[in-house]
Amino acid sequence: AQSVTQLGSHVSVSEGALVLLRCNYSSSVPPYLFWYVQYPNQGLQLLLKYTTGATLVKGINGFEAEFKKSETSFHLTKPSAHMSDAAEYFCAVSEEQAGTALIFGKGTTLSVSS
Amino acid sequence: KAGVTQTPRYLIKTRGQQVTLSCSPISGHRSVSWYQQTPGQGLQFLFEYFSETQRNKGNFPGRFSGRQFSNSRSEMNVSTLELGDSALYLCASSKQGLSYEQYFGPGTRLTVT
Repeated sequence: AQSVTQLGSHVSVSEGALVLLRCNYSSSVPPYLFWYVQYPNQGLQLLLKYTTGATLVKGINGFEAEFKKSETSFHLTKPSAHMSDAAEYFCAVSEEQAGTALIFGKGTTLSVSS
Repeated sequence: KAGVTQTPRYLIKTRGQQVTLSCSPISGHRSVSWYQQTPGQGLQFLFEYFSETQRNKGNFPGRFSGRQFSNSRSEMNVSTLELGDSALYLCASSKQGLSYEQYFGPGTRLTVT
């Protein structure tokens, strides 16, 4: 069965510092991988996704993630944090045969201090 | 292009009642999926409807049901509400029913007292 593990339920960084949010997955077949962001009282916004091809994926707002099959990881990074990045971030996985069903990690809350 | 809309945005119900939530997908999208988000269990897939047929279902009791209309709008129903059903219910729409082309709505916050 698929599963997603996000290491660290809460990450705190200073404005301008590197953001690194960790995600590991388990899947028996090549997965599709996603990072979503959720602001308070809002839905989920897609940051980036990996389906096939280049393993380094660039998303919106300066975020990027690298698919490492050997490590079953899909960590999210941003070189320089901004106050507006403070939110909850979810890593998710799906398999082609599962249609739209996404399996989510528990989420990581990112705090950014000035 | 209008996004996914969900109504109502907030809802308070009493234990034992039933509730119906509505989701209008992006124009042209034929698939609607529903998710439940709670602090304890996180985000969990409920079910997906594609062209009026339930195509996939998560691990939820039969009290949770849904349907999709010919215009692709979807409703989700929860009967005999329990306190644990308090959650943010999110729907997502997709043109071809593919996970990597889903767009999420703002959610309906259900509180059961």
